[in-house]
Amino acid sequence: AQTVTQSQPEMSVQEAETVTLSCTYDTSENNYYLFWYKQPPSRQMILVIRQEAYKQQNATENRFSVNFQKAAKSFSLKISDSQLGDTAMYFCAFMKTQGAQKLVFGQGTRLTINP
Amino acid sequence: NAGVTQTPKFQVLKTGQSMTLQCAQDMNHEYMSWYRQDPGMGLRLIHYSVGAGITDQGEVPNGYNVSRSTTEDFPLRLLSAAPSQTSVYFCASSYLQGGGYTFGSGTRLTVV
Repeated sequence: AQTVTQSQPEMSVQEAETVTLSCTYDTSENNYYLFWYKQPPSRQMILVIRQEAYKQQNATENRFSVNFQKAAKSFSLKISDSQLGDTAMYFCAFMKTQGAQKLVFGQGTRLTINP
Repeated sequence: NAGVTQTPKFQVLKTGQSMTLQCAQDMNHEYMSWYRQDPGMGLRLIHYSVGAGITDQGEVPNGYNVSRSTTEDFPLRLLSAAPSQTSVYFCASSYLQGGGYTFGSGTRLTVV
């Protein structure tokens, strides 16, 4: 079974700083997908970024980028020029390419951006 | 285009009561899932469906039933509510293998 671990329960940075959230996973699969979801206080789950394991290039979405290290089974999220609106819970998630569309989530990291 | 709609947003049940959490999507997505979110545990999969008429169990299915008679609807039934089922429940849908799921806004359920 796949597992996803987020080792930082909470993080706090100042506005405009860069912050990196860690995620490691365990799987015997060679092809899979990885995701970062954001959950602001509104409770809504919002997809931030998606990475396909067979692609070596790291995914980017505006101020959000990932550092995907397949051999190390590491998938960290970097937020550049952080904004107050980035304050949220962030969840890392894994999905196999074959079979049912089942997301396996990490425990989450609570990120606070301070003014 | 409303996305994924969950009702109700909040619910309080007494132990032993039954209820149905509703989930509907208008995006013609084949894949739908139910997750529960508990503090410190992330989201865990309860049941999922890969299309109308097809459902299967996830990680924590006990005490819950689902059905998928149409592409749009995927209700979650609590058969006999227990305090351990106090949680926030999310319904989600996806159209693409490996695509990110679109989530509903969640239902906060308290069982007393």
